[in-house]
Order: sequence, then structure tokens, then C-alpha cells
Amino acid sequence: EPEVTQTPSHQVTQMGQEVILRCVPISNHLYFYWYRQILGQKVEFLVSFYNNEISEKSEIFDDQFSVERPDGSNFTLKIRSTKLEDSAMYFCASSEAPGLVSNIQYFGAGTRLSVL
Amino acid sequence: LAKTTQPISMDSYEGQEVNITCSHNNIATNDYITWYQQFPSQGPRFIIQGYKTKVTNEVASLFIPADRKSSTLSLPRVSLSDTAVYYCLVDLVSGGYNKLIFGAGTRLAVHP
Repeated sequence: EPEVTQTPSHQVTQMGQEVILRCVPISNHLYFYWYRQILGQKVEFLVSFYNNEISEKSEIFDDQFSVERPDGSNFTLKIRSTKLEDSAMYFCASSEAPGLVSNIQYFGAGTRLSVL
Repeated sequence: LAKTTQPISMDSYEGQEVNITCSHNNIATNDYITWYQQFPSQGPRFIIQGYKTKVTNEVASLFIPADRKSSTLSLPRVSLSDTAVYYCLVDLVSGGYNKLIFGAGTRLAVHP
């Protein structure tokens, strides 16, 4: 069964450092998303991406965040200068072009980001 | 996006059927109802999706009454491995992307 893969599974960084979280969406999917989940809290939407541009972003996704699809398979989330409060699980998701039916999003296993 | 309401937690025992009901009073005509499951430290996993009446797959059944203001996820004969958080979401058929708005979910604990 095709799946979304995320690397690394755990990233430890120092406050103020840049991190790049990587995702390989399901190959025939066209819509890509990042979500985050702070420990013990809800899953929160960060950003959606389609046709090489951001479709929508939440208020969490400020200027410190950026996304990129550098090639035909990877989808990355960059945090320019990490803060302690960026510590969370980050989930990548992808979905097909929905057409006339609701698109189902498939999630990766997540990257646990720990900012020290 | 329509807001959903579901119980915070439920307990069950192995082999029992579990029904989790979700209320979505403001569901729109084009909204689909989707359920996800999440284990600790893992990403949400799609379980089932429906628009009306009943949908069944190899994992669960989804019952949606005619007014679509609620839905019930039914897990037959649960096992310990079904212990997880279950999320009910309604999402818009937009012809494009849609962000998922997760609530707190229902924390299901299955006991031996």
C-alpha cells in the first residue's frame, strides 16, 4: 500500500537553528499538507500546497516557516530559526485531486522535533 | 467548516462492538463525514468516509441518518490494538484542496 514517508523520525536542534523536515508524498497525489501536534494537544493545520504554490496557510505558519517541492518527489518544511515552542510532532499529508468527491488525506508517521 | 462534537473518552472490552457518535449540526450540503484514527506518536490514519446512509469497509461501518446532523462510527469486535483516539471530521467538497480541522477526538480504551 502506498504511504507518505517522513524523515527524520526525530530531530533535535538548538534554539535559533534552521531545520528542514522532509516528506515523500504518495506518488500520484497532487495536494500536500503540513500539520503539527504539540504533545497532548490537537492536530493543527499549518499549510497546504498545490501546483508549486501555497494554497492556504494558518496563522501558525509565519515568516519563519516555508515549504518547497524541490523535485518531483520531496516536499519539505523549513523552520528558519527554531523556537522552543516549535517542539512538536510534524505530520505531512497528501491527497489526490478530489474531483467530485471529498479528498482523503493520507498522513505520514511524523517527525518529532525537539528544540533545546 | 462544520464543527463536530464527540465524547471525550470511551471504554470498552475486547470482543465488544463500539459505537462512537459524532454530532455535526451545521453540516453543509457538500460536506463529507470522515473518521480518522490516531495511535500515540503516529499520524492520523484514515478509517472511513461517507456522505449518507451506511458505509462499510474491512475496518468499520459508518451510519449516517437522513438529516446528516450526526454520524456513528461502529467498530465490530474491538481488540486491544483498537485503543486510540478517533476523530470525526466534516470536510467540504471543493474541487480543490481542503484543510482538515481536528477536534480533540474520542479517546477509546479497550480493556482485556
